[in-house]
Amino acid sequence: ETGVTQTPRHLVMGMTNKKSLKCEQHLGHNAMYWYKQSAKKPLELMFVYNFKEQTENNSVPSRFSPECPNSSHLFLHLHTLQPEDSALYLCASSQEAAGANEQFFGPGTRLTVL
Amino acid sequence: GQNIDQPTEMTATEGAIVQINCTYQTSGFNGLFWYQQHAGEAPTFLSYNVLDGLEEKGRFSSFLSRSKGYSYLLLKELQMKDSASYLCAVMDSNYQLIWGAGTKLIIKP
Repeated sequence: ETGVTQTPRHLVMGMTNKKSLKCEQHLGHNAMYWYKQSAKKPLELMFVYNFKEQTENNSVPSRFSPECPNSSHLFLHLHTLQPEDSALYLCASSQEAAGANEQFFGPGTRLTVL
Repeated sequence: GQNIDQPTEMTATEGAIVQINCTYQTSGFNGLFWYQQHAGEAPTFLSYNVLDGLEEKGRFSSFLSRSKGYSYLLLKELQMKDSASYLCAVMDSNYQLIWGAGTKLIIKP
């Protein structure tokens, strides 16, 4: 148990569906991250929020839309996804985004797009 | 560009020692992290090196040479539960983590 929870753990959706992934951290951290993990590929950083402000968007397609209502919660809204978006989506948090801080990860949401 | 290289897969025997190497080329350097990830689980922090040398933590040790762009993770007295993927990540000048693809370690009895 890392103090970071994600729901749902598994999600299957069609290309026309709209769904949301949720992440919550109970560590009092100020930075939260979304990563995409595909088989045998490095983790890809998608978004970074520091003190609720988005500080990084690594050229992520607009069909992925993040939301950070407060420092403890992070959402990833999904719409009109493609089969190649099937992957494990990991949420992480750290004390803050600037500085060499350890990141704590949630268990991930396994997403399958049909 | 930025690049982290580590072997895709390694096999070792229970009770033995294994060394997982990682080489990197990044824009700036603010430290190197090793994470362990069991199948279907979250990556968990193992070690952080920012200065050259060896950091020992129980059965696990991590080494860094900044001049060579090289690190290794050393696992001693291997146990079956050490079967996992080991991820190397370098923090660049913008404090972003650049990740390797991970090394899948298989432990055999």
